[in-house]
Amino acid sequence: DAGVIQSPRHEVTEMGQEVTLRCKPISGHDYLFWYRQTMMRGLELLIYFNNNVPIDDSGMPEDRFSAKMPNASFSTLKIQPSEPRDSAVYFCASSSRDRGLAGADEQYFGPGTRLTVT
Amino acid sequence: AQSVTQLDSQVPVFEEAPVELRCNYSSSVSVYLFWYVQYPNQGLQLLLKYLSGSTLVKGINGFEAEFNKSQTSFHLRKPSVHISDTAEYFCAVSAPGGSYIPTFGRGTSLIVHP
Repeated sequence: DAGVIQSPRHEVTEMGQEVTLRCKPISGHDYLFWYRQTMMRGLELLIYFNNNVPIDDSGMPEDRFSAKMPNASFSTLKIQPSEPRDSAVYFCASSSRDRGLAGADEQYFGPGTRLTVT
Repeated sequence: AQSVTQLDSQVPVFEEAPVELRCNYSSSVSVYLFWYVQYPNQGLQLLLKYLSGSTLVKGINGFEAEFNKSQTSFHLRKPSVHISDTAEYFCAVSAPGGSYIPTFGRGTSLIVHP
């Protein structure tokens, strides 16, 4: 497997613009997580899905943020409108609770999307 | 709910010296414990994990950690570090009997000097 795939790797946009981050989890994983990492706040869990259903979005900072998972192989995180304080590295991770799989219970992270909002 | 405390935000060490990165957790139920490493401009990757069984866990790149239930700790150790070990290290805890979702510590920056 190619691992968790995120796109784009870098995004520079102007304040007020819409930003869409994309993630393809590892095939067979039933959990998907979106994290945000900044120097000030560290690694924050924004939202997670189980079997494509959002379970907990309490970490989403405000209504400008939304996430979807239309199928088991794709998820998006959208920020509309974007603000400079949204500048961060956004990570997608996936995992499985299937003990029959090697690596059960651990999270596999993508390379991240570095977002800069000017 | 569980929580994780990484006691050191930064640990400087000379190459070939031993290192210990400290992690303490709190949880009212049994736990799974993890150490992840993040190299510059990369995502986190698993170093090692404790699910059950032997309390001494060996991971990749010569790292090991010991689960100490009485002290609620899971410290990471390496007997001799290399320059290439310079990275951010995250301890994480999850509760298989409760919330499956891991809680991450704030991270410890390991800086290896030549």
